[in-house]
Formats: sequence, C-alpha cells, structure tokens
Amino acid sequence: DVKVTQSSRYLVKRTGEKVFLECVQDMDHENMFWYRQDPGLGLRLIYFSYDVKMKEKGDIPEGYSVSREKKERFSLILESASTNQTSMYLCAGRTNMNTEAFFGQGTRLTVV
Amino acid sequence: EDKVVQSPLSLVVHEGDTVTLNCSYEVTNFRSLLWYKQEKKAPTFLFMLTSSGIEKKSGRLSSILDKKELFSILNITATQTGDSAIYLCAVSGSARQLTFGSGTQLTVLP
Repeated sequence: DVKVTQSSRYLVKRTGEKVFLECVQDMDHENMFWYRQDPGLGLRLIYFSYDVKMKEKGDIPEGYSVSREKKERFSLILESASTNQTSMYLCAGRTNMNTEAFFGQGTRLTVV
Repeated sequence: EDKVVQSPLSLVVHEGDTVTLNCSYEVTNFRSLLWYKQEKKAPTFLFMLTSSGIEKKSGRLSSILDKKELFSILNITATQTGDSAIYLCAVSGSARQLTFGSGTQLTVLP
C-alpha cells in the first residue's frame, strides 16, 4: 500500500522553539512538498524538493527551512516557532509531474 | 507565479441536487490539473486532467478541462451527504511545484 507518513498527528510547542516535522515516503517519489492549510486559504506551498539535496521555495517560505538528505525523507524545520505558525501541515509525494500526489495524514501544530 | 482560483468558496445544497465547482488557473507551461476531496483528514485524489485527457468520469463525479479558457469544472450529480467535503483544485507546470486553490466547501443537507 502506498504510504506517505508524517511523524506526528498533533504537536504543541512553545514560542521560540526549533521544531522538526518529518515526512517519509515509500513510493520512490522524486518530488516532495510541504504545505500549510488554514481555514479559507486552501493549501499554501512552503517548500518543495525534486531531488535529493535539492529544494525550492514555495509561496510562503519565510520562517521555515527544509532538508532532504535521502530520497525518502523530507523534513520541515521551523527555526524559531511563532504563534502565527499554528496550522495544519501536510506533506505530499509525487513521482513526477504527470502523476497524482499522495498526502500524509497531516500534523496539527499549535505554538503557544 | 502559478495561480489557482476556485469558486464558489462555499456551497450548501440538498441531497439529490447537482453541483458544479469551478477552477480557473494561470500557470507557465501547463502540465496537469488535479482535483482532490478533503474530509476531516488528508486530501484524497479524484481526477487528473492533462492535454491528452480533458474529460474524466467516475460514478456521479465528472470533470472537464478547457485549456483555451484556462478553467476546469467538477460536476457532482445526485449529491449525497457523504459528498460533504472541501474540494481542492491544483495545477502543475514547468516550475515543478503543485499549486492549490483555496478550495470549495460543499455541504450536502439531508
């Protein structure tokens, strides 16, 4: 069965903490994406990666960074968490631009 | 910058009604347009439309792509309460990213 797995369903962190969100896929996807989802705003792209060690900024990269050291793992890093980063975070994997994207179950992050 | 606009933002209908959801887009070197359904969890894939596949149908759901006018519609006939969800549209172009719209919240009342 196809799997994109995010390490946590729910997280609560304090303002100023460094936060790591992990995403692992077992489909040999070339492309991986991190989105955040807020009510009424749909999915907004934070960063994506089309190969190991390659990363591209999406529409809202400020306050975030990513790491892709291995093909199957794509990590999202909040360098210094702030309350406006409270959101649902979704990871997705996609084999190429002609295939569908598969999503992880999401991580609901609350920054207090 | 790729852009996707969905309308309406929300829609309330009764069971048995037919609904049409709209998605317009701007993208450099269009590759594909995808529709997803999201209930209280991660989005699930419905359809992908490309230059070589501009119409898709699965049961009560169907979708068409108009590459000239840069839009797509998702039709749902004989709606059921289980169709209540957020419907998301996304486009993919030469920039490799997958850009989503804000979604349409569909509520189907019994």
